[in-house]
Amino acid sequence: ETGVTQSPTHLIKTRGQQVTLRCSSQSGHNTVSWYQQALGQGPQFIFQYYREEENGRGNFPPRFSGLQFPNYSSELNVNALELDDSALYLCASSHQGTGVTYEQYFGPGTRLTVT
Amino acid sequence: GNSVTQMEGPVTLSEEAFLTINCTYTATGYPSLFWYVQYPGEGLQLLLKATKADDKGSNKGFEATYRKETTSFHLEKGSVQVSDSAVYFCALSGTNAGKSTFGDGTTLTVKP
Repeated sequence: ETGVTQSPTHLIKTRGQQVTLRCSSQSGHNTVSWYQQALGQGPQFIFQYYREEENGRGNFPPRFSGLQFPNYSSELNVNALELDDSALYLCASSHQGTGVTYEQYFGPGTRLTVT
Repeated sequence: GNSVTQMEGPVTLSEEAFLTINCTYTATGYPSLFWYVQYPGEGLQLLLKATKADDKGSNKGFEATYRKETTSFHLEKGSVQVSDSAVYFCALSGTNAGKSTFGDGTTLTVKP
């Protein structure tokens, strides 16, 4: 069984640029969540994708957007990068059925540095 | 809104010492509660969970009990090892674990 994978591992961008981060969900999972983890803080929920549609968003501006593909992999796009966007971006996959989703599984993260 | 407060770190213990990391929460309804562990350079791993009041989650010698009356979910281990050195995060969610709220983490260092 393949776990959650993310690419790239590290990325350096300049303020104002755009970035795309990628995530492959764990086998059997149909839902992907994205989190931002600033240095020394806990992860903050950005948004979740289920069946290729956004299924909830945290307190992040519209320049944070995403996609989910038919194979349940996902992308996180950030436009007009700001210095405060520097963080570890974590992807987590889970399985949603008609009931409760009790567990999510995290990838290793992508470290984004904005200069 | 929902929030999680963890005891401030870092915490430094000697091997075989008793560990407690405090976690309290604010939420509406009956959230599910989690402890995650993050080893250096890695993503988060689910350590244990509890989904209703008075449930005890346990894994790898770690335990935490869901206390609704005190809105707490403290993490404990009777005898820590050097390999337990990591950052520990308390988190909560509603019926969708993929939309979790996390605390700021507590760094544990265990010295031989």
